[in-house]
Amino acid sequence: GAGVSQSPSNKVTEKGKDVELRCDPISGHTALYWYRQSLGQGLEFLIYFQGNSAPDKSGLPSDRFSAERTGGSVSTLTIQRTQQEDSAVYLCASSLTSGGFEQFFGPGTRLTVL
Amino acid sequence: GDSVTQMEGPVTLSEEAFLTINCTYTATGYPSLFWYVQYPGEGLQLLLKATKADDKGSNKGFEATYRKETTSFHLEKGSVQVSDSAVYFCALRANTGNQFYFGTGTSLTVIP
Repeated sequence: GAGVSQSPSNKVTEKGKDVELRCDPISGHTALYWYRQSLGQGLEFLIYFQGNSAPDKSGLPSDRFSAERTGGSVSTLTIQRTQQEDSAVYLCASSLTSGGFEQFFGPGTRLTVL
Repeated sequence: GDSVTQMEGPVTLSEEAFLTINCTYTATGYPSLFWYVQYPGEGLQLLLKATKADDKGSNKGFEATYRKETTSFHLEKGSVQVSDSAVYFCALRANTGNQFYFGTGTSLTVIP
């Protein structure tokens, strides 16, 4: 497929557990973004990767959240010691850094922390 | 800092009614502007965009004009359909770096 893919599509976990969410961007897209969409809310920026540059982590809500991007492609968002307020849909998007600049979004991972 | 403010919803319209969803922005320089749409149960997808002042983006009967003088990018459609029911997000891409800023979304329901 040519689009952004994310896995898992749904994740239910218990409070205090760690979770890993995966994003496969569109091939050739150098920019990758993670957002959080809580129920009835807009998109909350979490982190942004651009090529080999240091990521922009300014949106991460706490030090329990981290992300990495290996080989400039696949990214993993890790949430440690999950809390109930972490329940949300986590969206990944990728884009080129020239041309139209628009972001292409994945379907999201719905995280539920019990 | 850069930001986007859009009309709060929810908005409910009858089929064939005229739609306007207001969006204003705050940014330095000349950002690119976007409208994204999220249909029920689906991911966000680009609806239209404009990359410079006075540009008009259009798609699927929707239009939005980049107005620098009023820092606005209002979304309009002359005759909505039930299939337009979705959440609409206004967004900007800063002209320095690749940071995107999204509005909080406006939920539209079109009733037959």
